[in-house]
Amino acid sequence: EAQVTQNPRYLITVTGKKLTVTCSQNMNHEYMSWYRQDPGLGLRQIYYSMNVEVTDKGDVPEGYKVSRKEKRNFPLILESPSPNQTSLYFCASSPDGGKGYGYTFGSGTRLTVV
Amino acid sequence: AQSVAQPEDQVNVAEGNPLTVKCTYSVSGNPYLFWYVQYPNRGLQFLLKYITGDNLVKGSYGFEAEFNKSQTSFHLKKPSALVSDSALYFCAVRGLNQAGTALIFGKGTTLSVSS
Repeated sequence: EAQVTQNPRYLITVTGKKLTVTCSQNMNHEYMSWYRQDPGLGLRQIYYSMNVEVTDKGDVPEGYKVSRKEKRNFPLILESPSPNQTSLYFCASSPDGGKGYGYTFGSGTRLTVV
Repeated sequence: AQSVAQPEDQVNVAEGNPLTVKCTYSVSGNPYLFWYVQYPNRGLQFLLKYITGDNLVKGSYGFEAEFNKSQTSFHLKKPSALVSDSALYFCAVRGLNQAGTALIFGKGTTLSVSS
């Protein structure tokens, strides 16, 4: 089944403790993105990647890092999480960057930073 | 600036009645428009898209959307609502970041269908 898989689904952590949210897609898509969803704000792009070793900032990149060492994986790294990063996170992938096929989204990771 | 507006936080309809969820956009050039639906505790699911061609686009689960260039709108419609349509709906437009790959989302509209 074609899908984007995120782990974990739920995570509670403490301020300052480094964490990684994994994302993997099995569709051989070149484009991948991370979004965060907050009430009343919709989804906002954190980082995106056009291919292996090619990443760039989205609209809200502060406090986040990403890497794209393999085509299928696009982990989101929070080096020193803070409470304002409590949110619902989505990873997404696309074969063409949304030009014709849109994006396929993962099921989300609900992160709470206390 | 690129943007998407969903003017209604919530839409309430009775089962069997037609529904409309509104969306307007602002983007330079030809728009690539999308509707996604999010059920509780689930990810976003693709409903339909407009890239070019007919202004009336048909999508999943009986939904359709009407593209109106002069009004810069892309309203989501369904002739007969089901209780199971109750969910959070997002309109999105392909944005022009450095790579042109971002989806810019509206804030979402909660659809509530009552039996």
